[in-house]
Amino acid sequence: KQEVTQIPAALSVPEGENLVLNCSFTDSAIYNLQWFRQDPGKGLTSLLLIQSSQREQTSGRLNASLDKSSGRSTLYIAASQPGDSATYLCAVNGNQFYFGTGTSLTVIP
Amino acid sequence: DAGVIQSPRHEVTEMGQEVTLRCKPISGHNSLFWYRQTMMRGLELLIYFNNNVPIDDSGMPEDRFSAKMPNASFSTLKIQPSEPRDSAVYFCASSPPGREETQYFGPGTRLTVL
Repeated sequence: KQEVTQIPAALSVPEGENLVLNCSFTDSAIYNLQWFRQDPGKGLTSLLLIQSSQREQTSGRLNASLDKSSGRSTLYIAASQPGDSATYLCAVNGNQFYFGTGTSLTVIP
Repeated sequence: DAGVIQSPRHEVTEMGQEVTLRCKPISGHNSLFWYRQTMMRGLELLIYFNNNVPIDDSGMPEDRFSAKMPNASFSTLKIQPSEPRDSAVYFCASSPPGREETQYFGPGTRLTVL
C-alpha cells in the first residue's frame, strides 16, 4: 500500500521568508501528485497538479517539483505571507488517492 | 457556481444512531468522492463514484458504512450504527468529466459520535 509522508508536521516562519515543504511516497507507480491547501473549517483547495511525466509546476509564488524515481516532491513557497498560513497536504494518485497528514504552516507577520 | 454543497455542516449524535451525510456535487461533474479526515489517519478516500456508479469502495471501513448516488446531483454517506471512532470530518468532492485528478472539495461535515 502506498504510504505518503510529509515533513515537517508543523512549520513557523517570519513573513517574507522562502520555505520548502516536503512530501515522500513509497510507490513510484503514480499518475500524478497534487498539492492542496486546507484552511481551518474548510475543505481542500487544489494548488498544483504534477503529472507523472512532469518535473515541476509553477503557479505564482508556488513551485512544486516531482522526482518520481526517488519518491519525493517539494512545494516551494517564495516570499511567504501571513495569508499563506494553512495546512498543506500532498496527495499521490495511483490506483486511488493517498494523502499525507499535512504540514501546518504559520507565517508570522 | 455554488461549489460542492454538504449538509449538515455539523452533526452530533449518540452511539448506535444512524447518521446520514449529504452531498450535492458541482453541476456537470460526473465523479464524486467521499473522504474522511482524522488527526491520526489524515485524509482517506472512502468511496469514488463515476457517472453515479461506485467505482472504488475499498476505503469504506466496514459494513456499517454505505454510500449511494441515486442521480448526478446527489449522494449520501450513511453510517448505521454509528460509533465514537467514526467521529471525524467527512468531505465530499467532485470532478469534471475526464479530470478526476482535479477535485473540488466541499466544506465538510464534522461528525461527533458520543
